[in-house]
Amino acid sequence: KNEVEQSPQNLTAQEGEFITINCSYSVGISALHWLQQHPGGGIVSLFMLSSGKKKHGRLIATINIQEKHSSLHITASHPRDSAVYICAATNNDMRFGAGTRLTVKP
Amino acid sequence: GAGVSQSPSNKVTEKGKDVELRCDPISGHTALYWYRQSLGQGLEFLIYFQGNSAPDKSGLPSDRFSAERTGGSVSTLTIQRTQQEDSAVYLCASSLGAGAANYGYTFGSGTRLTVV
Repeated sequence: KNEVEQSPQNLTAQEGEFITINCSYSVGISALHWLQQHPGGGIVSLFMLSSGKKKHGRLIATINIQEKHSSLHITASHPRDSAVYICAATNNDMRFGAGTRLTVKP
Repeated sequence: GAGVSQSPSNKVTEKGKDVELRCDPISGHTALYWYRQSLGQGLEFLIYFQGNSAPDKSGLPSDRFSAERTGGSVSTLTIQRTQQEDSAVYLCASSLGAGAANYGYTFGSGTRLTVV
């Protein structure tokens, strides 16, 4: 079993839809990261959180430490949100989920 | 520099040759990480440096892989006797610290290694 599990693996949505990507982890962490990887391969760190909830624009990330679960939400999705979203559990190093490939259609 | 710089951005090498990949972290970042992403695969941890501590090499896939970090700054990942399965994008990231919830990570743009 992977230490970090993401779901769904693939997600297709219509523009404007509310998106949720889930991440469960089995390791002890100091923080949980959500990363975005665009088709060109570049990786951008979206959120780092150790408790509660963070919001940046249309993106919201939540974490439940007791349940070892985090979610990434995208409100009013747009085609430019199409990317692979990766959850990473960190302590001294990073353990990655397999990623969720999001495609938002106009 | 302003970001994490990796070089070269692309490298094509013949099977059996040695390659060196370079990572220049953000100035002042004490933690440096190497990852790789094979085609269609997720990210895989390779090695982690934190300050002057001994590196965590637990992710290196074989003894053909080694890395060093000189002066607590620039890091070089060396792959000896490259094999086709080494083909991947090699990513470097740096962080102000490690093991603490308040530090973010910044990724470089990666080196795409192709072994032919």
